[in-house]
Amino acid sequence: DAGITQSPRHKVTETGTPVTLRCHQTENHRYMYWYRQDPGHGLRLIHYSYGVKDTDKGEVSDGYSVSRSKTEDFLLTLESATSSQTSVYFCAAASALEGAYEQYFGPGTRLTVT
Amino acid sequence: GQNIDQPTEMTATEGAIVQINCTYQTSGFNGLFWYQQHAGEAPTFLSYNVLDGLEEKGRFSSFLSRSKGYSYLLLKELQMKDSASYLCAVREGNDYKLSFGAGTTVTVRA
Repeated sequence: DAGITQSPRHKVTETGTPVTLRCHQTENHRYMYWYRQDPGHGLRLIHYSYGVKDTDKGEVSDGYSVSRSKTEDFLLTLESATSSQTSVYFCAAASALEGAYEQYFGPGTRLTVT
Repeated sequence: GQNIDQPTEMTATEGAIVQINCTYQTSGFNGLFWYQQHAGEAPTFLSYNVLDGLEEKGRFSSFLSRSKGYSYLLLKELQMKDSASYLCAVREGNDYKLSFGAGTTVTVRA
């Protein structure tokens, strides 16, 4: 158990509505990530954080924003959901201790935009 | 950025061996990871290579050749529970992030 939870686990929403997904970790990891996973594309990085209030864009950041106001929480917001954002979203967290680096994943959120 | 290639699907028989290849193109290579992901579940860490050679962990081994931009994951004594997707991921430079390949779905048949 990597101590990472995501909420909600499933969500159906309508096009044009804002949606916020939450990732919570209990292991005091410094780095946190949001990915989306779609068939044929694998995991693609949306945004990541390297500390409280320090975030940066990944390869598919358009239409998404993030916030990290405390170490344990990383929020992903879809400002105005579109059908192309239907996907499975995974949160991950990592530390870099003594040169070791490994990402631990949350259970995922399945989002459907109708 | 990275270009990471791995086969889409592989099928093997229970008890056999399967080798999943991963090739990558990157500047400033700083480690290659393999993850296992069962359908509907989160990826879980399997192995990490940063130096050339073979890392063995039970039935699973991972090999890296940095000069060739090549890695493989070897699954021995296949079991039905090994049916899953296997993801290759590369870390570049001092970035604390990974780039993932599209994954290889392995189906183990009785």
